[in-house]
Amino acid sequence: GEDVEQSLFLSVREGDSSVINCTYTDSSSTYLYWYKQEPGAGLQLLTYIFSNMDMKQDQRLTVLLNKKDKHLSLRIADTQTGDSAIYFCAESYNAGNMLTFGGGTRLMVKP
Amino acid sequence: DAGVIQSPRHEVTEMGQEVTLRCKPISGHNSLFWYRQTMMRGLELLIYFNNNVPIDDSGMPEDRFSAKMPNASFSTLKIQPSEPRDSAVYFCASSFPLAGDHEQFFGPGTRLTVL
Repeated sequence: GEDVEQSLFLSVREGDSSVINCTYTDSSSTYLYWYKQEPGAGLQLLTYIFSNMDMKQDQRLTVLLNKKDKHLSLRIADTQTGDSAIYFCAESYNAGNMLTFGGGTRLMVKP
Repeated sequence: DAGVIQSPRHEVTEMGQEVTLRCKPISGHNSLFWYRQTMMRGLELLIYFNNNVPIDDSGMPEDRFSAKMPNASFSTLKIQPSEPRDSAVYFCASSFPLAGDHEQFFGPGTRLTVL
């Protein structure tokens, strides 16, 4: 079955770059997503990438996809304290439909 | 639009009681998802509907859980009887999965505590 794995925790200093990593097992994954969950709130889509892309950049966010290794990463440049949250990687073979989420990485940004 | 609306936001009940969680998806969305989030198991998909029809309920833990979507603007998740291990945050999400629209929009969640 599908499996998406992430490290549990990442701590960085304000202004540094953060890199959150994710691995997945389903080779038929077509869409890969990064969601952000702030305390007491639901998940919010940050960005997504098609499986035929290697990289996508959106302001401070850069997504890198290594399809051969089934590895996805999210880089946040100039990390701010407001970026402190849980970040979920997710994959789907069908846009907008069933997602398989990783366990989430808790990002702590120290001032 | 107000986004996905869930009620109640918090529910505290005693073991054995019936619990009903409610969700109003974003108007025009035709896919609706129920998730459960716990520290131990992370975020789990329980069931999802497309055009009010349940498509995949393989994540529903057991017969005590049931979900309905009587119309495009309302869904319920019912637990009867509830047990302490059902304590979790339950999220509803909706989407409109046409080409180019990839986002599932999440509600704020219902935090359920079963004593």
